[in-house]
Amino acid sequence: EAQVTQNPRYLITVTGKKLTVTCSQNMNHEYMSWYRQDPGLGLRQIYYSMNVEVTDKGDVPEGYKVSRKEKRNFPLILESPSPNQTSLYFCASSLSQGAAEAFFGQGTRLTVV
Amino acid sequence: AQSVTQLGSHVSVSEGALVLLRCNYSSSVPPYLFWYVQYPNQGLQLLLKYTSAATLVKGINGFEAEFKKSETSFHLTKPSAHMSDAAEYFCAVGRTGRRALTFGSGTRLQVQP
Repeated sequence: EAQVTQNPRYLITVTGKKLTVTCSQNMNHEYMSWYRQDPGLGLRQIYYSMNVEVTDKGDVPEGYKVSRKEKRNFPLILESPSPNQTSLYFCASSLSQGAAEAFFGQGTRLTVV
Repeated sequence: AQSVTQLGSHVSVSEGALVLLRCNYSSSVPPYLFWYVQYPNQGLQLLLKYTSAATLVKGINGFEAEFKKSETSFHLTKPSAHMSDAAEYFCAVGRTGRRALTFGSGTRLQVQP
């Protein structure tokens, strides 16, 4: 079954404690993205990757890092989380950038206190 | 630049009534248009996609959308609402080479018995 898997689904952490949200896809897609979803704002892209070792900033990259060492994995790293990063995060993968269907993970609800 | 406007953050209909969710877009080139649905505690799932093959696009679960270039609209409709349609719906626009889909702010559909 084609899927994008994120872990964890829920996470509560304290300000400044580094965390990583993992994302893995089994569709051999080259393009992967991270989005955050906030009420009234829809989804906003944080970072994206066009292939292994190729990543770039999206619309709201401040406070986040990513890496793409393998095609299937695209972890999101918060080096020093702050309360304004409390949000619902989605990983997505697709065959190409803006013209193809994006497949989304189940989401990670992060709370930073 | 491209953008998406979804009119109405909340829409309430009675079971069996017509569902109409509005989406207007702006794009400097012919766009790809998408509707996604998000059920509670789940990721986004593609409902339908417009890629210029036909202006009336049929999707899953009885939904369809019509691309109207003159109105820059891509409204989502379903003739008869079902309780299981209660969810949040997102319109998105993309184009070849663009690094991401641009999402609207979402419309939460409530279905009353």
